[in-house]
Amino acid sequence: DIVMTQSPLSLPVTPGEPASISCRSNQSLLQSNGYNYLDWYLQKPGQSPQLLIYLGSARASGVPDRFRGSGSGTDFTLQISRVEAEDVGVYYCMQALYTPLTFGGGTKVEIK
Amino acid sequence: QVQLVQSGAEVKKPGASVKVSCKASGYIFTSQFIHWVRQAPGQGLEWMGIINPSGGSTRYAQDFEGRVTMTTDTSTSTVYMELSSLRSRDTAVYYCAKEGEGGTYVLGYWGQGTLVTVSS
Repeated sequence: DIVMTQSPLSLPVTPGEPASISCRSNQSLLQSNGYNYLDWYLQKPGQSPQLLIYLGSARASGVPDRFRGSGSGTDFTLQISRVEAEDVGVYYCMQALYTPLTFGGGTKVEIK
Repeated sequence: QVQLVQSGAEVKKPGASVKVSCKASGYIFTSQFIHWVRQAPGQGLEWMGIINPSGGSTRYAQDFEGRVTMTTDTSTSTVYMELSSLRSRDTAVYYCAKEGEGGTYVLGYWGQGTLVTVSS
């Protein structure tokens, strides 16, 4: 199984400031078609997870452009350009290359 | 709009089975795969498996092989996940999720979750 590792575990942020979350996989998620099979999800408190980013850098429909996914191969980053109060929750990366699909352990983003 | 509506919370005894339903609407039911993901209290997300509503083919995570069965009823646009031989560590919220933009393995839409509590 592909192992996904996220950091940090917890991320206190100030509204209006940027934030960054790292995700690493133990094998490359880059396919010969040029796509990285890495998704990002946000689980807001008390809610189901929601898709933010797919294929490493494509924003899902309705996701604000302050969210940006980047990276390739085994190293990926989710950046929030200016954090808003509604962005709090737990962020998960997930590899979508092979089954079993596997998630990172999550990064809890909270307001300072 | 796309909706996945799951059945209500369940309380089961160790050794019993539970069957959770996920009723889909707002899209062509047989055109897109549905996944099941679970989340133990205070823990992360764990993928359980996937079903193709067109034909019913499945793929399960090895950790659940032999205990999980995913089925589909195209007449009601409903997918079911049955987990048997329940133990306390199966206590979790179980989510169904539909593939989204980006492909079969992108979890674009999620149900509201079903809490399954296993307790004697």
